Amino acid sequence: DIQLTQSPSFMSASVGDRVTITCRASQGISTYFAWYQQKPGKAPKLLIYAASTLQSGVPSRFSGSGSGTEFTLTISSLQPEDFATYYCQQLSGNPYSFGQGTKLEIK
Amino acid sequence: QVHLVQSGSELKKPGASVKVSCKASGYTFTDYTINWVRQAPGQGLEWMGWINTKTGFATYAQGFTGRFVFSLDTSVTTAFLQISSLKAEDTAVYFCAREDRSEIDYHYWFDSWGQGTLVTVSS
Repeated sequence: DIQLTQSPSFMSASVGDRVTITCRASQGISTYFAWYQQKPGKAPKLLIYAASTLQSGVPSRFSGSGSGTEFTLTISSLQPEDFATYYCQQLSGNPYSFGQGTKLEIK
Repeated sequence: QVHLVQSGSELKKPGASVKVSCKASGYTFTDYTINWVRQAPGQGLEWMGWINTKTGFATYAQGFTGRFVFSLDTSVTTAFLQISSLKAEDTAVYFCAREDRSEIDYHYWFDSWGQGTLVTVSS
């Protein structure tokens, strides 16, 4: 099974900061990869799929990159509504799996 | 507009069963696989498996075989998750999610999610 390791698990940042979250896969998964945002008490929301494709309606300050085993999610200029938990996911075959999450809090 | 609407919270005793529903609307139900995801209190997301809405064939992740059953009623565009012999550790929010895909390069992603159903198992 493919394991995903996100880093950091927790981070604090300020509005306007540029933030990068990293996810490493235990084996190569090409670009079968997605990022989600989850706010407390809500369902996850798709941000990025195929490693770098922005989901319709998601602000352009979000971007994704990577291929193989290393992937990044970048938020170019943090907005108040971006403080949430972010999860990576690999969809390279059965079983799918998620990273453990990165909680982004206001500094 | 795609919507997945799940049934309400459940409080069950250990050993009981529960059936969670996921009603889909706004698209052709049988064109998209439905996945199920568990989130224990304060924890991350855990993929449980999927069900092919065209064939009814289900695939379960390790740890979700035996007591967990995915099913469908295509006449009402609804997917179901049934959990039997409930244990305290089954206490969690359960999400259904629609799996979209690219027919060109076979990428997949979960583009729409239900609001989640909290199942609490307590004596």
